[in-house]
Amino acid sequence: SQQGEEDPQALSIQEGENATMNCSYKTSINNLQWYRQNSGRGLVHLILIRSNEREKHSGRLRVTLDTSKKSSSLLITASRAADTASYFCAAIPPGGSRLTFGEGTQLTVNP
Amino acid sequence: DTAVSQTPKYLVTQMGNDKSIKCEQNLGHDTMYWYKQDSKKFLKIMFSYNNKELIINETVPNRFSPKSPDKAHLNLHINSLELGDSAVYFCASSEGSGYIYNEQFFGPGTRLTVL
Repeated sequence: SQQGEEDPQALSIQEGENATMNCSYKTSINNLQWYRQNSGRGLVHLILIRSNEREKHSGRLRVTLDTSKKSSSLLITASRAADTASYFCAAIPPGGSRLTFGEGTQLTVNP
Repeated sequence: DTAVSQTPKYLVTQMGNDKSIKCEQNLGHDTMYWYKQDSKKFLKIMFSYNNKELIINETVPNRFSPKSPDKAHLNLHINSLELGDSAVYFCASSEGSGYIYNEQFFGPGTRLTVL
């Protein structure tokens, strides 16, 4: 089944630093999506990057996609304590269906 | 305004009981989903409905039965609850035909604890 696998599992940084999380997947994709989950809450969509795109920006977020390596990265610049959350990627295959998220990267931003 | 809402937020029950979780979305989306998140935070899709029609039915015990009275509602009924059903259940919705291409909007989750 299509799956996003995040790396690292946990990341702890100081406020103001940049945070980079990686995602690998197994087969071809239609698009890849990144989500954030604050403790005790539902997932919130951050950004969607299509298979024919290489980079996408949204505010302090930058996502890259390398389809040859079947990998994506999420960069959060100038992190804030409020960015503390779990971050998940989900790789969507061309036919859709059978979407599975990985276990996510737990990001802790220390004030 | 709450986009995707779920009730209840917490559900504690005994093994063997039957329970339901309700979900409503006011986004006008055609597609709704149920996900299960276990204690290790793995989030796995269970069901997907498009305009009240079942699109995705993952390998889920038939004790779990989704019901969609209209495209704004997707309820999850669970029969004969087992300890392993303890998890957080999320409802989500998205635009589109029912295949998972688009951004999904998640509800706040229902934490189910089976004793």
